Amino acid sequence: DTGVSQDPRHKITKRGQNVTFRCDPISEHNRLYWYRQTLGQGPEFLTYFQNEAQLEKSRLLSDRFSAERPKGSFSTLEIQRTEQGDSAMYLCASSALAGVVDTQYFGPGTRLTVL
Amino acid sequence: AQSVTQLGSHVSVSEGALVLLRCNYSSSVPPYLFWYVQYPNQGLQLLLKYTSAATLVKGINGFEAEFKKSETSFHLTKPSAHMSDAAEYFCAVSVLGTYKYIFGTGTRLKVLA
Repeated sequence: DTGVSQDPRHKITKRGQNVTFRCDPISEHNRLYWYRQTLGQGPEFLTYFQNEAQLEKSRLLSDRFSAERPKGSFSTLEIQRTEQGDSAMYLCASSALAGVVDTQYFGPGTRLTVL
Repeated sequence: AQSVTQLGSHVSVSEGALVLLRCNYSSSVPPYLFWYVQYPNQGLQLLLKYTSAATLVKGINGFEAEFKKSETSFHLTKPSAHMSDAAEYFCAVSVLGTYKYIFGTGTRLKVLA
């Protein structure tokens, strides 16, 4: 399977705990994105990496959130001091610019529940 | 700024009937448009994309969409619904020079036997 993978698929945590999610993009995709999807809504952009450089962070990404992509391969998204409002599906996508269109391929997501 | 509006958060059709899911976009520059499908507890799967090459775009699973600049629309259609089409469908827009997608709020399709 050469698609985008995410781990874990589900995470239940208590308010105030820290959590970390991992995303493995499609091989040789140099672009990686994180989105958050809450119930009944479409995905909302959180952050974007080109290789190892984080080029944009949404205002949705408070200072409790941090993302990394060491060596330009997999990425991690960490949430510190989780709040109930952080409960959502966290989606990772990757792409390799071909032509003028950047087509993003999504992973299965990590569903976070904060109790 | 770009935006997407999906009319109808829930659509029900009978098996074998036409599927029509509506998407209208707002963009000050030529957009790229995408339709994704999401099955329960799964990520998004690309159905089709508009890249300005042809206004009628064919995708997977028998779906197609037509870009109409005059109506700022990119509606998704399928001639005959199948039970396996039941899912949530998202329209998204991006423009040249950007990388993030702006998604609509989604339309949940229900197929009745």
